[in-house]
This record gives sequence, C-alpha cells and structure tokens, in this order.
Amino acid sequence: ETGVTQSPTHLIKTRGQQVTLRCSSQSGHNTVSWYQQALGQGPQFIFQYYREEENGRGNFPPRFSGLQFPNYSSELNVNALELDDSALYLCASSPGPNSNQPQHFGDGTRLSIL
Amino acid sequence: KQEVTQIPAALSVPEGENLVLNCSFTDSAIYNLQWFRQDPGKGLTSLLLIQSSQREQTSGRLNASLDKSSGRSTLYIAASQPGDSATYLCAVRLMGWDNYGQNFVFGPGTRLSVLP
Repeated sequence: ETGVTQSPTHLIKTRGQQVTLRCSSQSGHNTVSWYQQALGQGPQFIFQYYREEENGRGNFPPRFSGLQFPNYSSELNVNALELDDSALYLCASSPGPNSNQPQHFGDGTRLSIL
Repeated sequence: KQEVTQIPAALSVPEGENLVLNCSFTDSAIYNLQWFRQDPGKGLTSLLLIQSSQREQTSGRLNASLDKSSGRSTLYIAASQPGDSATYLCAVRLMGWDNYGQNFVFGPGTRLSVLP
C-alpha cells in the first residue's frame, strides 16, 4: 500500500511569485485535504477535494487554489506569494469526505518566501 | 466555532516516566478524534483514532481516552523513551462543515522531550 507522497520537499520563492505543490494520495483514497502549518502551530485547513471537485474550504484567500485529477492526486497553487505564506504545507488523504477512517498525511512541502 | 486546545504546550520528563497529554475541544458534536505525532520538520504520523462512540483506544505503550460530553481527550504514554520526543497533536473531525469552512480541526500540539 503506497502512502501519501508530496513534492517537492523544500521550495524557496520570492514575494509575488507563484508556486505549485503536488500530492499523491494513498491507494484507494479519493479525498485529499490540504493544510498550512506555520512554525509552532497546528495545521490550518485550506481546502478539500473529492472526486475532482472542491468539497470544502477554510478561511484562505482565492489566491490559494487547487486541483484534483482522475487518479485522485492533487495540486495546491498559490499566486502572488506573500512572506506569511512561508509554512509547511501538508496533504492528507482519506477514503471519503466523511470517512470515519483516519486521515493519512504526507511529509509536507516546506515553502520559504524571501 | 470549534476550538481545540492542548495542555501543556511543552513537557520535559526523564526516561521511564508515565505521562499524560491533554486535549480539549469546545463543541462535543464530533465524529471522531485523532492523535498524531510530528517529528521536527516532518509530516504527521497517525497514532490513534477514537470514534465518538468509543471511550478509549490502545496501541502498544499508548492509550487514548475520549470523554465527548466534557470535551476532553487524553493521551497516556507509558514508560516513556527518548525516541518518544516529538510534538503530539490532537484533531477532531466535525459532523459536517461548520460556518468557518472547517471539518477537521487541530490543536496547537504539545512538544514532548524525554531525557535519557
């Protein structure tokens, strides 16, 4: 059983640039959620994708957008990067949007904005 | 709005001690509660998941309890080891989506150091 994988592991960008982060969900999982974790804090929910549609969204501006593909892998896109976007971005997959099974997380992408 | 807190924020204990980490949540209408471990700069490893109808779950030296009515969960670690040093986070899955677009809410974590 393949776990959740994220790429790249680290990324450095400058303010105003755009970035794309990628996530492959665990085998058999059709739901992917993205989280932003600032240093020393718990993860904050960005949005969730289920069967290629955005299924829920937290309190993040529209410059945070995403996609989910037919194989259930997902991308997180962030436009017009700001210094406060520096964080660990985590992807999690689950068997469904309301599953009572645990979410499984990837190792994250560390994004640094200069 | 569901709020999740964890006490203490940090904890340092000598090897071999038994310890308890606390998690509190404000809205008892949850689907389940999950405990995670996070090593520095790494992702989250799921430790235990307790469904809302359950009272506790055990895995090896770990035991998690849930008191939904009082909005509390504890993670008990027996015979702590230096390898247990990490940040421990709890998270609740809500029944549906709240008005803030949340359905899975994390606490800030407890940073644990087990000294040899």
